[in-house]
Formats: sequence, C-alpha cells, structure tokens
Amino acid sequence: LAKTTQPISMDSYEGQEVNITCSHNNIATNDYITWYQQFPSQGPRFIIQGYKTKVTNEVASLFIPADRKSSTLSLPRVSLSDTAVYYCLVGDMVTGGGNKLTFGTGTQLKVEL
Amino acid sequence: SQTIHQWPATLVQPVGSPLSLECTVEGTSNPNLYWYRQAAGRGLQLLFYSIGIDQISSEVPQNLSASRPQDRQFILSSKKLLLSDSGFYLCAWSMPDRRNTEAFFGQGTRLTVV
Repeated sequence: LAKTTQPISMDSYEGQEVNITCSHNNIATNDYITWYQQFPSQGPRFIIQGYKTKVTNEVASLFIPADRKSSTLSLPRVSLSDTAVYYCLVGDMVTGGGNKLTFGTGTQLKVEL
Repeated sequence: SQTIHQWPATLVQPVGSPLSLECTVEGTSNPNLYWYRQAAGRGLQLLFYSIGIDQISSEVPQNLSASRPQDRQFILSSKKLLLSDSGFYLCAWSMPDRRNTEAFFGQGTRLTVV
C-alpha cells in the first residue's frame, strides 16, 4: 500500500500561486498519482492525474520528479473559492481490476484577501 | 453521460435502529463502487469497495455491511446503529481500469445517530 504524506494546512492570498507537495516514497511502478479537491459537505472532485513529468489542465498543474517519490500540485492565481481540502492519492491496485482509492488526511488550503 | 444517485441526503436515526443507504450509478457498466465515511473535520475513511457483484471488500471492521445486488447498485447497511456511526457518508464509482484513479462521488448522506 503506497501511503501519502502531505501538509495538514496551508494559507495563501488571492492571486498567488499555491504549491502543495505530497510524498509517496513507496509508490509502485504502475501507480498513477491523483489529486482531489473537497468543499465542505460535498464529495471530493477530481482535479488532475499524472504518471511522470508534468501534466497541466485548465485548473492545475501536476509536477512529478523522475523518481516519482513525490508530486506537487500547483494552483495558479488562487481565489477565495479555492479554499478547500486537497487530497493526494496514489493508485492502490486491486486484484481483478480497479483501485481502492484510499484517501489520506488531505491539506486544508485557506485563501484570504 | 454517467450519473450517480445517493439518498437520502440527511438522516436522523436513534441508537440501535437499522440503516440502509442506497447508491445507484447510471450510464456505465461494471463500475468499481465505494462507500466512504467522513467524520466532522476529518478525512475520508474507505469503508467498502466492490469491483463486481458479490465482490465486496471491507476495509474497516465495524457494525456496517455492504451489498451489491445489481451491477450499478451499492447499499450500505447496519442492523443496529451506534452513536459513533454518525458522519457524512459518500458513495463513489470509478471505471474498472487499474490505472484509473478518477472517481465520481454522490452528494452524500449526513447521518446523525441520536
């Protein structure tokens, strides 16, 4: 089971870039890295997924170094609405197909004016 | 398109009463299904996951059980609720692909055991 470690909380201001780093030292060769965002009283929402190097979409970028033992979620120019909990997941493949999708404690990001 | 339905949205149950939460998925076949619980201010705890009918794995031993009577239906049950069962329950589905870690969540059920 590839476990993840990420900061419990982070603070930022509107307009800044926020980088949240996740450690996953025991990541397996075939594991993908995924990030989710969760607002209070809602289910988590998929943000981005990657395997190596850099992945970018309209919401965020994901940076993965060559050893894949960590990853960094980058949120450009955050706003108040980006205040949420961010979870890093590493694929935990299940025999027969799919992943267990075990969430860690997440990082509470607070964005202020 | 795929959709996930979870109900009820809120539930208040007395200690010792039974529980049944239902989740259904539309627009896909043979999805992986999950039940999570989230206590106030805490992370998501994986309770059960299923890769197919009659293929359910339990992550945390407790007084809850799960069943998958149909391919796209996932039910969370309890015979006797405890106060500690209070929390936010979430159902989710994902594609049956080992490399895929993108899951789609229902709206959740806020359960209060009194």
